[in-house]
Amino acid sequence: DAKTTQPNSMESNEEEPVHLPCNHSTISGTDYIHWYRQLPSQGPEYVIHGLTSNVNNRMASLAIAEDRKSSTLILHRATLRDAAVYYCILNLNAGGTSYGKLTFGQGTILTVHP
Amino acid sequence: DSGVTQTPKHLITATGQRVTLRCSPRSGDLSVYWYQQSLDQGLQFLIQYYNGEERAKGNILERFSAQQFPDLHSELNLSSLELGDSALYFCASSPRGNQNTEAFFGQGTRLTVV
Repeated sequence: DAKTTQPNSMESNEEEPVHLPCNHSTISGTDYIHWYRQLPSQGPEYVIHGLTSNVNNRMASLAIAEDRKSSTLILHRATLRDAAVYYCILNLNAGGTSYGKLTFGQGTILTVHP
Repeated sequence: DSGVTQTPKHLITATGQRVTLRCSPRSGDLSVYWYQQSLDQGLQFLIQYYNGEERAKGNILERFSAQQFPDLHSELNLSSLELGDSALYFCASSPRGNQNTEAFFGQGTRLTVV
């Protein structure tokens, strides 16, 4: 399975932008890049996903490198509520079949300082 | 609130026993996924159902089984419980059950085996 590599932890200050990097050098052309986050004592929460083009939604932006071997999740103004574990996941196309199952890694622990 | 309901929230049981975890997906979502989160293994995919049929299987033990009913709710049955089965069990649902769609997670069932 294609894997992702993320920093173990990052820190940010409230109201500043946060750029969370993810490397996925073995990505294949049909794999989608998904980001989820998990706040303490809660289930994972969908953040954003994309295939090739950059994506924006109300929560964040996803910047995908041209060769697709890396991506960056951008939180435009961090709040204390954004403190969570952020998971970068490749949602794979397995032999031509797309199931949508998520393979979680260790993720990045984001700490937001007031 | 993701719209995915899991019951019970907490469960304490003895080794060797059998339990059933229940999941009601978001209205209209056809696919249900089960995940296990333990301290040493992280979040692991167990099994996926789509419109009543098993679609993908992950690291699910033979002592565990699941099904999705005609009304699309799902149950995860865990039998011959061992101490190591203590974990958070999450259910997620998605509209199409493929890689180009988000998954919505419930709040989880915390299982403690004593």
